[in-house]
Amino acid sequence: EVQVVESGGGLVQPGGSLRLSCGSSGFTFGDFWMTWVRQAPGKGLEWVANINRDGSEKNYVGSVKGRFTISRDNAKNSLYLQMNSLRAEDTAVYYCARGGADCGDDCYWGQGTLVTVSS
Amino acid sequence: QSVLTQVPSASGTPGQRVTIYCFGSSSNIGSRYVYWFQQLPGTAPKLLIYRNNQRPSGVPDRFSGSKSGTSASLAISGLRSEDEADYYCATWDDSLSGQVFGGGTKLTVL
Repeated sequence: EVQVVESGGGLVQPGGSLRLSCGSSGFTFGDFWMTWVRQAPGKGLEWVANINRDGSEKNYVGSVKGRFTISRDNAKNSLYLQMNSLRAEDTAVYYCARGGADCGDDCYWGQGTLVTVSS
Repeated sequence: QSVLTQVPSASGTPGQRVTIYCFGSSSNIGSRYVYWFQQLPGTAPKLLIYRNNQRPSGVPDRFSGSKSGTSASLAISGLRSEDEADYYCATWDDSLSGQVFGGGTKLTVL
């Protein structure tokens, strides 16, 4: 059974840092692009970043460029999102998703982890 | 303001057919595959339609997708109460070099 499980969310002060993790099982992690998508409370979905199979290509939405870093460890079947210089507008549920933008029928999302940026 | 435009809300009665639209441009829908996701209340989004009109296994054939030019649509026939959810379209945008989502359409089953 395919599983992706996010962790690492929580309450952080503006300007602070947080590292999200996404563990996976039930599929060959290294065969897939991986993606982070977020959803602010009561709002729609926003793509954050994606990374290719070996980690050599990364793409980011403009609002997080220079502040967030996506990475992966294929040996550990894990995806990460290092978030620095956090702002109130980064408050959201962060979803880890298997696949890139054209994931075919391989798209699969985790249940999300909540990040709250507040003083 | 989302790159892809969706009407914020739609409604229908049980058994009806409802269509949800997604409008984009040549740099996204016009040149890329469109995906549709369903988000039931309090849950994570789930893939509903991929590559414009393909249904993953397990998705009822009441759901169908299509694309024409720079717009796409999701049709739901034989509407059921359990279809009440938020629906999002998504694709890649070549100008932004990023994935883009519609603002979502909240479907209410009356």
